[in-house]
Amino acid sequence: GAGVSQSPSNKVTEKGKDVELRCDPISGHTALYWYRQSLGQGLEFLIYFQGNSAPDKSGLPSDRFSAERTGGSVSTLTIQRTQQEDSAVYLCASSFPGTGNEKLFFGSGTQLSVL
Amino acid sequence: GQNIDQPTEMTATEGAIVQINCTYQTSGFNGLFWYQQHAGEAPTFLSYNVLDGLEEKGRFSSFLSRSKGYSYLLLKELQMKDSASYLCAVRNPTDSWGKFQFGAGTQVVVTP
Repeated sequence: GAGVSQSPSNKVTEKGKDVELRCDPISGHTALYWYRQSLGQGLEFLIYFQGNSAPDKSGLPSDRFSAERTGGSVSTLTIQRTQQEDSAVYLCASSFPGTGNEKLFFGSGTQLSVL
Repeated sequence: GQNIDQPTEMTATEGAIVQINCTYQTSGFNGLFWYQQHAGEAPTFLSYNVLDGLEEKGRFSSFLSRSKGYSYLLLKELQMKDSASYLCAVRNPTDSWGKFQFGAGTQVVVTP
């Protein structure tokens, strides 16, 4: 696609429910990143994919968080048994490694609200 | 530990110049990036420095000193639309090639 696409744009859920967030990166971008941004805060790294593998999962806050990427394209971030502290904007970004200036292209994010 | 520090907020008037400083302490370095983020929107790329010196791009310039762990973003001829948060990010390949570490952002408020 023309840009990074994320869905849903907004998600309201009840505490304890599972949620799935989707990211469709720019076509041809092999690197994909998930970040989390709480209100008024900077970006918190969650996980990074190169192709379908995740060399760095160090930012996932707990074992309730998982992510996968299939076909080197679409990625889903799953949060199980959501908690109120999971409320944030979840941003996905993609890039094409090996170009030196590997700037990130961000999607518009998913605003997650856990009631 | 690894830190990226930048001021929380800066205010300037339309037409003026503002300089946003960013200092970093990381175990490795392979590039410093500046992003602009308007409220409720995704961050967008502004500039990239990997060697010491000044990179100029229209009204925006970015400077890097690797020995000092220091960068700044210079915004000239400020316009109202420049009101946004400006994020400094460092790529640290010794930590993780894929992990861009972001500062908390500097909120720039442009007044008439």
